[in-house]
Amino acid sequence: EAGVAQSPRYKIIEKRQSVAFWCNPISGHATLYWYQQILGQGPKLLIQFQNNGVVDDSQLPKDRFSAERLKGVDSTLKIQPAKLEDSAVYLCASMRVQGNYNSPLHFGNGTRLTVT
Amino acid sequence: GNSVTQMEGPVTLSEEAFLTINCTYTATGYPSLFWYVQYPGEGLQLLLKATKADDKGSNKGFEATYRKETTSFHLEKGSVQVSDSAVYFCALRTDTGGFKTIFGAGTRLFVKA
Repeated sequence: EAGVAQSPRYKIIEKRQSVAFWCNPISGHATLYWYQQILGQGPKLLIQFQNNGVVDDSQLPKDRFSAERLKGVDSTLKIQPAKLEDSAVYLCASMRVQGNYNSPLHFGNGTRLTVT
Repeated sequence: GNSVTQMEGPVTLSEEAFLTINCTYTATGYPSLFWYVQYPGEGLQLLLKATKADDKGSNKGFEATYRKETTSFHLEKGSVQVSDSAVYFCALRTDTGGFKTIFGAGTRLFVKA
């Protein structure tokens, strides 16, 4: 099966600019996650979708970050305006079944964002 | 709250050495435990998992045993290879808060030939 696809792979922007990341999960995976991974740290959950509904966005900085998952498939994460501390790798992951302890997350290769 | 603590890296070993990466957790309920690995330039991928106390997860020569009494899930391998050089993440998932997966900070492993 094809893996989780993310684009772009790299992005460099200046602070106060906006940026968007795209994710296409594995076919049939109902649950989709966006994680932020700052250098030297583990992934931190930003938002979790079940189909096209938000399950958890408690860690998403909603004053500047937004995400959507139209039609329950592809997802877009946007930052507007970006700050220096947003420099990180943004990981998208999908999972087949919500609420299953055993199902692993499947990750894309991530988008590395540098804010200057 | 739920959290995962891993030993700090980097860990540098010679080929064929024994590997241990320590992981302890704090969780409410009965979490499932995972080890993920991230090779250079790639996304995280599942290495192994264990879903209840005393379960042993294993894959590619790596093993980890779910120890409820010590809240630990240490990763071990008897003989590492250069190709094992990567970052290893311990993670947990509980039934509280929407089945979130929480990751440790990661431990970077370098294996020298």
